[in-house]
Amino acid sequence: DAKTTQPPSMDCAEGRAANLPCNHSTISGNEYVYWYRQIHSQGPQYIIHGLKNNETNEMASLIITEDRKSSTLILPHATLRDTAVYYCIVRVKTSYDKVIFGPGTSLSVIP
Amino acid sequence: ETGVTQSPTHLIKTRGQQVTLRCSSQSGHNTVSWYQQALGQGPQFIFQYYREEKNGRGNFPPRFSGLQFPNYSSELNVNALELDDSALYLCASSLEIGYEQFFGPGTRLTVL
Repeated sequence: DAKTTQPPSMDCAEGRAANLPCNHSTISGNEYVYWYRQIHSQGPQYIIHGLKNNETNEMASLIITEDRKSSTLILPHATLRDTAVYYCIVRVKTSYDKVIFGPGTSLSVIP
Repeated sequence: ETGVTQSPTHLIKTRGQQVTLRCSSQSGHNTVSWYQQALGQGPQFIFQYYREEKNGRGNFPPRFSGLQFPNYSSELNVNALELDDSALYLCASSLEIGYEQFFGPGTRLTVL
């Protein structure tokens, strides 16, 4: 079973920030939080990952709470092309690299 | 730099047949993972190969098998196809185990 819970769907107005929450209350100290997204009928696309500190790249920002039990992916200025299913995943970088996807959040960016 | 590629794009088979799906990993990547994605669900991990050795397996029956070649490309073989095997099959490569995985576009398999 997936170790994360996400809302099944969200809407966001074009040009506004999209804030996608994820709960991972059973996360272990050596597990990273990863975010992927999947646009319809395409392969998932890596967005960002983090361990403890907040992270930012050209696509998004990742905010991880101090207790690491939840996180938020922020798309600062959502566009119609950001409409996709967003997956929050926790995984540990060990020799056995099994990535478990949950059902994700379906984000609809509305004009 | 070429990304992850998969072939064929689409495939139609009948129950009981066998199928081979192919994946070329991103340049420099030695780890390949395979996933099955049924309609409306998240991808489910099938197995992973690292430097030609199987590195882990999900909850799939033995009729799902694979191979990784010296150039790190990979094959997924499915024997005795069942209707429930109809899905999008995704391949992902990573630089090393534990690094971020980059996915290919997938192969859409339909079993009639």
